Amino acid sequence: GAGVSQSPSNKVTEKGKDVELRCDPISGHTALYWYRQSLGQGLEFLIYFQGNSAPDKSGLPSDRFSAERTGGSVSTLTIQRTQQEDSAVYLCASSTGQSNQPQHFGDGTRLSIL
Amino acid sequence: LAKTTQPISMDSYEGQEVNITCSHNNIATNDYITWYQQFPSQGPRFIIQGYKTKVTNEVASLFIPADRKSSTLSLPRVSLSDTAVYYCLVAYYMDTGRRALTFGSGTRLQVQP
Repeated sequence: GAGVSQSPSNKVTEKGKDVELRCDPISGHTALYWYRQSLGQGLEFLIYFQGNSAPDKSGLPSDRFSAERTGGSVSTLTIQRTQQEDSAVYLCASSTGQSNQPQHFGDGTRLSIL
Repeated sequence: LAKTTQPISMDSYEGQEVNITCSHNNIATNDYITWYQQFPSQGPRFIIQGYKTKVTNEVASLFIPADRKSSTLSLPRVSLSDTAVYYCLVAYYMDTGRRALTFGSGTRLQVQP
């Protein structure tokens, strides 16, 4: 596909379970971002990958959150021991990585913690 | 302290011009200012970006004063389909020297017939 793809589109899980969210960026995009958007709120930065550089993890809210990007392409955001406050839409975006190039977003994964 | 401020909501009627302003002190000197549009259950979609003065594309204009402490997204002749949330995105340098991209809190535009 031409755009950023995220899966699953919806995820419902019980409190305390681990979840994995997947992002397939646009082919050739070296920069990848994860954001969290709570209901009716703005976008909260979580983590940023750029090529082979060490990721910027400064936005991860706790050590229960982690992300990987394998082979410079697909990324997985993992939330361990989920809590109800983790319920949100998790958005992924990618860009070419060149300065001031816009981000292209997927439609997100809506995560609901029961 | 880096702070990005937008009006929470705006109302307009079809055919009118809408201007949405984002205030952003002390943004990174080399970074563009970018605006996105978001519909319910979708990811944000790029609208326009600029560095200084005025930029225009087929859907919007962006006005940025010389001091770059604000930016104004202008939507000419809005239609019902422009009802959405609009976000500005800017970059700041934190005290640690880290560059942080920050979205505004979003402006919910409601266009009435």
